[in-house]
Amino acid sequence: AQKVTQAQTEISVVEKEDVTLDCVYETRDTTYYLFWYKQPPSGELVFLIRRNSFDEQNEISGRYSWNFQKSTSSFNFTITASQVVDSAVYFCALNLIKAAGNKLTFGGGTRVLVKP
Amino acid sequence: DGGITQSPKYLFRKEGQNVTLSCEQNLNHDAMYWYRQDPGQGLRLIYYSQIVNDFQKGDIAEGYSVSREKKESFPLTVTSAQKNPTAFYLCASSPRGKGQAEAFFGQGTRLTVV
Repeated sequence: AQKVTQAQTEISVVEKEDVTLDCVYETRDTTYYLFWYKQPPSGELVFLIRRNSFDEQNEISGRYSWNFQKSTSSFNFTITASQVVDSAVYFCALNLIKAAGNKLTFGGGTRVLVKP
Repeated sequence: DGGITQSPKYLFRKEGQNVTLSCEQNLNHDAMYWYRQDPGQGLRLIYYSQIVNDFQKGDIAEGYSVSREKKESFPLTVTSAQKNPTAFYLCASSPRGKGQAEAFFGQGTRLTVV
């Protein structure tokens, strides 16, 4: 069975500070996808980024960047120069490549509060 | 606009009643999912459907039932057998058979037992 752990339950920062969210996962499969989703107060989950287990290259997309390290089973996510609109709950999720569709395994989420 | 519509946004249920949560999508996705979210916790999979007239149990299916008679619709019934139904319910859809595809989510239904 898969497991995703987000040890940080809540992070509070002042606007323009960087925020790094930790995610550690467990799976016996060697091929999988990792995702980050954002859940604003409106409730729906919004897809942010995806990384497959074959590619450990870290990337930056706008103010978002991620650090995938297969050796430590970690998939950390950073918001650079945070803004008040970044306040939300962020979920890390895992999906096996052999799985049909999106039977995502989610972490418990990290609530981010960005203060002006 | 394409997307997923869940209704109602808030739902109140009396003890012993069955209630049905609606989920409709116009994204032409084959696969649809129901997740349950409890306060301070992640999402857990209740049921999923990869194609019309077929669905499978997720991790916490007991006390729930679904149907998939149309591609666009995947209603969830919370039965009286579900002992602790108060939660936030999210419906999602994605292309079938593509584990890398992101799922699209509705805005959720908050169910409260009164």
